Amino acid sequence: AQSVTQLGSHVSVSEGALVLLRCNYSSSVPPYLFWYVQYPNQGLQLLLKYTSAATLVKGINGFEAEFKKSETSFHLTKPSAHMSDAAEYFCAVSDPGGATNKLIFGTGTLLAVQP
Amino acid sequence: ETGVTQSPTHLIKTRGQQVTLRCSSQSGHNTVSWYQQALGQGPQFIFQYYREEENGRGNFPPRFSGLQFPNYSSELNVNALELDDSALYLCASSLPSGGASDTQYFGPGTRLTVL
Repeated sequence: AQSVTQLGSHVSVSEGALVLLRCNYSSSVPPYLFWYVQYPNQGLQLLLKYTSAATLVKGINGFEAEFKKSETSFHLTKPSAHMSDAAEYFCAVSDPGGATNKLIFGTGTLLAVQP
Repeated sequence: ETGVTQSPTHLIKTRGQQVTLRCSSQSGHNTVSWYQQALGQGPQFIFQYYREEENGRGNFPPRFSGLQFPNYSSELNVNALELDDSALYLCASSLPSGGASDTQYFGPGTRLTVL
């Protein structure tokens, strides 16, 4: 069965500092991988996704993630944090061989950005 | 282009009651998925509808049921509400093309409180 682990339920960075949010997956085959962001009292917005093309994926708002099969990881990074990046971030997987595009989510990482 | 909309935004029910949540998919999207997001958790897949048929189901009891209409809008019905059903219910729509890599677009959610 597929699963996702997000290390660090809370991450705090200073404005302008590097953002690194960790995601590791467990799957018998390389899955499709997604990062979503959730602002308070809102739904989820797609930041980026990996679908077996380029291993370095660039998303919206300056975020990017690198798929590393050897480490079963898909960590999310941004070179310089902005106050507006404060939100909850979810990593998710879907099964390329599955009948649906259902997503299996991690438990999320709450990012705080300090001025 | 209209995004995914959900109604109502908030709902308070008592244990044992029944509830219906509604979702309008993004224009042209014929697949709708429902997720339950408990406080402090990632979303959990409930089920998916494709062209008015249930296309996949997560680990939820039968008292969670759904419908999809010819215009691709959808309903989630929950019978015999329990306290643990208190959560944010998210609807997501997608247009099947690549299967598991299809992006899901989320609505803002319905916050259900069961007293």
